Amino acid sequence: QVQLVQSGAEVQKPGDSVKVSCKASGYTFTTYYMNWVRQAPGQGLEWVGIITPSSGLTTYAQRFQGRVTMTRDTSTSTVYMELSSLRSEDTAVYYCARGHGYKRHFEYWGQGTLVTVSS
Amino acid sequence: QSVLSQPPSTSGTPGQRVTISCSGSSSNLGSNTVNWYQQFPGTAPRLLIYSNNERPSGVPDRFSGSKSGPSASLAISGLQSEDEADYYCATWDDSLSGWVFGGGTKLTVL
Repeated sequence: QVQLVQSGAEVQKPGDSVKVSCKASGYTFTTYYMNWVRQAPGQGLEWVGIITPSSGLTTYAQRFQGRVTMTRDTSTSTVYMELSSLRSEDTAVYYCARGHGYKRHFEYWGQGTLVTVSS
Repeated sequence: QSVLSQPPSTSGTPGQRVTISCSGSSSNLGSNTVNWYQQFPGTAPRLLIYSNNERPSGVPDRFSGSKSGPSASLAISGLQSEDEADYYCATWDDSLSGWVFGGGTKLTVL
């Protein structure tokens, strides 16, 4: 069965960077796109960006461009999202979510990774 | 401020039918399909409806979706207590070249 398992919670200081991983299993890793979505405490969902695992090509939401980097390791079926220059407003749960296609629905979600930015 | 507009909350009694609206514009809902996600507190969202009105396997047929132009709606018939959750609409925005979500609607089953 499809599983997306994310890395554990992180606490970072303002200005630092954080790197969250998402390990996929149960399907051919390079066949499906992977999105990242975040949710601040008590708030709604916000799309961060998408990576094409087969090529490494990425598209980021405009508000994160310059601060976010998504990469993948095909040997371990893992995608990574690194967010830099962290500020308190980046405190959120970050989810990876497998896309059925580039502009298609998110079929499977990881369990989420809480990133807390605090001095 | 979310790109897609949803009512913050709605409620119903068991057995009732409730609808949740989602309003967008020509660059998003007006030209792309809508997906709906259900989220319980402390858990990841779950795909509920995709491509306007398709249900993934395992989703009861009490849930249905529709879209007309830049507006969409989710309907839940035969409301049950376990339907109490947050519901989000989502679609691709051609102007932003990215996914946009509604602000979410909290459904309370009275």
